[in-house]
Amino acid sequence: GAGVSQSPSNKVTEKGKDVELRCDPISGHTALYWYRQSLGQGLEFLIYFQGNSAPDKSGLPSDRFSAERTGGSVSTLTIQRTQQEDSAVYLCASTLSGGAGDTQYFGPGTRLTVL
Amino acid sequence: GIQVEQSPPDLILQEGANSTLRCNFSDSVNNLQWFHQNPWGQLINLFYIPSGTKQNGRLSATTVATERYSLLYISSSQTTDSGVYFCAVWANNLFFGTGTRLTVIP
Repeated sequence: GAGVSQSPSNKVTEKGKDVELRCDPISGHTALYWYRQSLGQGLEFLIYFQGNSAPDKSGLPSDRFSAERTGGSVSTLTIQRTQQEDSAVYLCASTLSGGAGDTQYFGPGTRLTVL
Repeated sequence: GIQVEQSPPDLILQEGANSTLRCNFSDSVNNLQWFHQNPWGQLINLFYIPSGTKQNGRLSATTVATERYSLLYISSSQTTDSGVYFCAVWANNLFFGTGTRLTVIP
């Protein structure tokens, strides 16, 4: 596709429910990142996939958060037993090769609201 | 982790004015990037600038890695420049600053 896409654009859920957020990176990009942006804040790194390597999960805030990337393309971020503090915009980015100098292309984000 | 601080946190400009945004970081980094997040939330990469100076139209950026800071210059500001400007430094992943919220008024 022309850019990084994410779905859904908005998600409202009740506390305790599980949610899945999807990211479709730019075709051919080997690296994919998930970030979280709370209201009025900067971006918080969550997880990083690079090719077939084991993902860097160092930013995941708790074991309720997990992510996978199937076939080196689409990624799904799953939040189990959602809490109100999980409310934020979840952003996905992809880069061509994952190097430090690669331009990150961001998707439009998924706004998650936990009631 | 690396600390990334940006100043000022908020900035209001009259259209046509110039401005300088600053990014300080706490440790040596491999690179630094500047992003613009528009009022609809879309993030766009502006510069990849580990050192030196780059220019792109009305925007330019300078990074002095040895002194751990970077500056983003906006000249002849336009209302479309409004949004939040983030710097981010790479240390195994990108660490973002808290941003400068710019409002350009006509």
